[in-house]
Amino acid sequence: ETGVTQSPTHLIKTRGQQVTLRCSSQSGHNTVSWYQQALGQGPQFIFQYYREEENGRGNFPPRFSGLQFPNYSSELNVNALELDDSALYLCASSPGQGPLSFFGPGTRLTVL
Amino acid sequence: DQQVKQNSPSLSVQEGRISILNCDYTNSMFDYFLWYKKYPAEGPTFLISISSIKDKNEDGRFTVFLNKSAKHLSLHIVPSQPGDSAVYFCAASAISGGSQGNLIFGKGTKLSVKP
Repeated sequence: ETGVTQSPTHLIKTRGQQVTLRCSSQSGHNTVSWYQQALGQGPQFIFQYYREEENGRGNFPPRFSGLQFPNYSSELNVNALELDDSALYLCASSPGQGPLSFFGPGTRLTVL
Repeated sequence: DQQVKQNSPSLSVQEGRISILNCDYTNSMFDYFLWYKKYPAEGPTFLISISSIKDKNEDGRFTVFLNKSAKHLSLHIVPSQPGDSAVYFCAASAISGGSQGNLIFGKGTKLSVKP
């Protein structure tokens, strides 16, 4: 049990739609990161937020955006969904800005 | 181009024997390495980590070895138990390189421990 929760568990959308995924981090964890895990691959870093500001981004287009709130919750928003966006989306929280991250169970997104 | 490689997609060992999972990396800026274990329908669970200033870190049945010159690390599980059956991910980070702690993952190795 990592104390990181994500909602929803599963989601089905159609191409072109927009989606918002939610994460609740451990209390006191000021850093939250989002990862995309495609089938058969390892998680890929999307971006990281520290104290409500983005402070690192992976190789993902601007239609992937995020927010972090003072109550240790965060959102991942994806606009103009594409078929290749189908994946498991993982949220991870960290007590500081170091690499040790605690992952939530993920949201399985299917884009039809 | 994959910066973290786990070349064995799967590994099968007998209960009680040693499991050795391998990981290679290409980026010499990586200075912190972690292993995560993942069960189906769950997120990755942190297992053990090692800083580049060390060459070994031990935690119970789990030991991670780091060979910086070869850019290679391995996770040893002794003795292996059926509950260890899961997908194991190797991850790396370049803290001093200003990565802000984001992790680069390998593709994972599925470990099966047979009773």
